[in-house]
Amino acid sequence: DQQVKQNSPSLSVQEGRISILNCDYTNSMFDYFLWYKKYPAEGPTFLISISSIKDKNEDGRFTVFLNKSAKHLSLHIVPSQPGDSAVYFCAATPNTNAGKSTFGDGTTLTVKP
Amino acid sequence: DTAVSQTPKYLVTQMGNDKSIKCEQNLGHDTMYWYKQDSKKFLKIMFSYNNKELIINETVPNRFSPKSPDKAHLNLHINSLELGDSAVYFCASSQAWGTGRAGELFFGEGSRLTVL
Repeated sequence: DQQVKQNSPSLSVQEGRISILNCDYTNSMFDYFLWYKKYPAEGPTFLISISSIKDKNEDGRFTVFLNKSAKHLSLHIVPSQPGDSAVYFCAATPNTNAGKSTFGDGTTLTVKP
Repeated sequence: DTAVSQTPKYLVTQMGNDKSIKCEQNLGHDTMYWYKQDSKKFLKIMFSYNNKELIINETVPNRFSPKSPDKAHLNLHINSLELGDSAVYFCASSQAWGTGRAGELFFGEGSRLTVL
């Protein structure tokens, strides 16, 4: 039972354009959502998060949108840069409990110069 | 200064052998974890320790045994290695629940285990 899904295994965009990565979840107990970024041969690093009391959180070029009724969140990167090329993992957790994080299987983003 | 470091980064061994992966964090976090990333790229939690005490033990074979000598270290020992154990193992840590960044995980670089 995959509670967090990222249905696009890969995404390719042109430098300067918007990248939109999507994530769906099924467990209503999730109330805190995070995006992690992972470069090859490195561990995932935290990128941005959103609590279920919000529907949008912005940090520079990165914005995460949450649609609770649809159990859907998305990560927008604008403008995309070649250095953004990485695997992006969506994660969800109940009660801001990192130990209960459930991860999606990642989307590989390639930003072409 | 690496926040969460794990060694070795690469490990190639034969079936049936016993091996260990070490992890150390210098972030002052109370909670540490072991995650397994399999060939399908899923990150799945294996164990969680809070201040040296085991708090999460997912369905993992008994051949896997974590050990936490202190709250800054969490090692993973694997007995009688099998082909299916081949994966990347990530150590992680997090702040105490209720603190500002409690929901975030801080990962090490990963240890790629290949069992032949």
